[in-house]
Amino acid sequence: DAKTTQPNSMESNEEEPVHLPCNHSTISGTDYIHWYRQLPSQGPEYVIHGLTSNVNNRMASLAIAEDRKSSTLILHRATLRDAAVYYCIPDGGAQKLVFGQGTRLTINP
Amino acid sequence: DGGITQSPKYLFRKEGQNVTLSCEQNLNHDAMYWYRQDPGQGLRLIYYSQIVNDFQKGDIAEGYSVSREKKESFPLTVTSAQKNPTAFYLCASSMGAAFNEKLFFGSGTQLSVL
Repeated sequence: DAKTTQPNSMESNEEEPVHLPCNHSTISGTDYIHWYRQLPSQGPEYVIHGLTSNVNNRMASLAIAEDRKSSTLILHRATLRDAAVYYCIPDGGAQKLVFGQGTRLTINP
Repeated sequence: DGGITQSPKYLFRKEGQNVTLSCEQNLNHDAMYWYRQDPGQGLRLIYYSQIVNDFQKGDIAEGYSVSREKKESFPLTVTSAQKNPTAFYLCASSMGAAFNEKLFFGSGTQLSVL
């Protein structure tokens, strides 16, 4: 199973962009990268996923390195509601998604 | 609204007691999962089910049991054999259990020991 490395915590200001990094140097060539986030006292929610090229949706953008050993989740304009734990997860099958400790994002008003 | 409903939100267990956590989904998903989350930690998989009447152990199944008699329901029983049951329990579902599936989570049950 691919291992990931994320910073334990990050801090940003409201209305500024946030770049959340993830290292997944052992990922296999066919594994998608998934990002989920978990608000306090809630279950995780899906944010975005991608394989090779950059992806955008209404919540965020995902930039994947050309060698696929790392990716960055981009929140273009952070709000207080974006304060959460963000998980970067290589896709080894739905029953093998590993939710590690993730990155705790704090947004300052 | 389609989604996953977990109940109760808070549950207290006495010593030696079995308790059952409910998880219902109306998303018509085949696969369902139970996770345990301890404070400040990630999620650990307890059990998962890919189809009705079938389920598999996850990483920390000891002291827990499940059933999957209906597609929409996947209850988790925390037995008296689970010596440290205090945790946040999360139920999830996905359309299938293959690659590139999105997981949909309930809002969780906080279990505490009296």
